[in-house]
Amino acid sequence: GAGVSQTPSNKVTEKGKYVELRCDPISGHTALYWYRQSLGQGPEFLIYFQGTGAADDSGLPNDRFFAVRPEGSVSTLKIQRTERGDSAVYLCASSHGVGGGQTQYFGPGTRLLVL
Amino acid sequence: AQTVTQSQPEMSVQEAETVTLSCTYDTSESNYYLFWYKQPPSRQMILVIRQEAYKQQNATENRFSVNFQKAAKSFSLKISDSQLGDTAMYFCAQHSNYQLIWGAGTKLIIKP
Repeated sequence: GAGVSQTPSNKVTEKGKYVELRCDPISGHTALYWYRQSLGQGPEFLIYFQGTGAADDSGLPNDRFFAVRPEGSVSTLKIQRTERGDSAVYLCASSHGVGGGQTQYFGPGTRLLVL
Repeated sequence: AQTVTQSQPEMSVQEAETVTLSCTYDTSESNYYLFWYKQPPSRQMILVIRQEAYKQQNATENRFSVNFQKAAKSFSLKISDSQLGDTAMYFCAQHSNYQLIWGAGTKLIIKP
């Protein structure tokens, strides 16, 4: 079946602008995760959804970052007043359940560049 | 706090050789899961292999196997008969409280 998809693949914006990044998880996966990967580093956790609700948003760096998943499927990561330090690859993953044994399947990421 | 450490920023081997990538972790949990993911230039993280900590037997997936040393908190990945398509970044990760905690990655280059 189809994997996790993310749009856009690349996004270039100017400092101070608002951006939305979209994630379409694997059908039937109840859990959805957002990670941020800076150049030369491993991913860092941002937020995790179980169904429609954000079960853990402890990784969001500040209140400029917000994510929603209104119908328990597609999720949108929203970044207000973008800063150059927000430039990174934003990865989305989904899993069938939430236990430790559940494998997270990743999308190709969105590369965000803030000029 | 849980941490994952990959001490080899880059490695290169000849095609068909065997290579081992190192990973150590730190956790206070009694049961946990460890993963190796591969990230080619396409950016997509691809699961290579996973290990459940309560299982003493090392996981294997075709040419990929792990050496899991629970007491030493070590989780290395061995790639046998390496292929050009194995060239990628390799990340070690530990599952903790719904999220994955990641190492910094090892860039693996397979030379023809």
